Amino acid sequence: AQKITQTQPGMFVQEKEAVTLDCTYDTSDQSYGLFWYKQPSSGEMIFLIYQGSYDEQNATEGRYSLNFQKARKSANLVISASQLGDSAMYFCAMRLPDNQAGTALIFGKGTTLSVSS
Amino acid sequence: DTGVSQDPRHKITKRGQNVTFRCDPISEHNRLYWYRQTLGQGPEFLTYFQNEAQLEKSRLLSDRFSAERPKGSFSTLEIQRTEQGDSAMYLCASSPRQGKGIYNEQFFGPGTRLTVL
Repeated sequence: AQKITQTQPGMFVQEKEAVTLDCTYDTSDQSYGLFWYKQPSSGEMIFLIYQGSYDEQNATEGRYSLNFQKARKSANLVISASQLGDSAMYFCAMRLPDNQAGTALIFGKGTTLSVSS
Repeated sequence: DTGVSQDPRHKITKRGQNVTFRCDPISEHNRLYWYRQTLGQGPEFLTYFQNEAQLEKSRLLSDRFSAERPKGSFSTLEIQRTEQGDSAMYLCASSPRQGKGIYNEQFFGPGTRLTVL
């Protein structure tokens, strides 16, 4: 079975600083995808970044980058130059390819990020 | 493209009543997912449709829950004889046939927050 672990319930950072949100995962499958979502207080889940298990380079999307360490089964999210609008809940998630059973996303418990000025 | 929409956004009901939620996916997306999110937790998968076919159901989906997607467009999630434990945010997500690599990105709606008194 697949599992996502996020060990940081809350993180605090000042504006313009970088922050790393931790995520470890557990799966016996060789093919999988890792995702990060942001959930503001409004409740909507916003897709941030994706990393495939066979991707050799770490994914980047603007201020977001994913530090993928396959041997350690970790997929940490790095947010550079934090902004006040980054304050939200962040979820790490995993899913298997479409050709396998289980198309749903499996989420961790999330990390609350608070950015102060 | 107006994104995934859900209705209602909030629902307060008394224990034992039936409730129905609606999800309208992004128009060209053939895959639709329902998730449930309780306070302080990540979303948990409930069920998945590909077009009008319900292909996967979680064990979380008890007999009191039923979901439909007539004609492969909008979907409804009905909860019969609601219990206080059903209080949660119900999230709908849709994805296209093929997204990034072999993993389809899921686009989430704003959710329906259910409170059972």
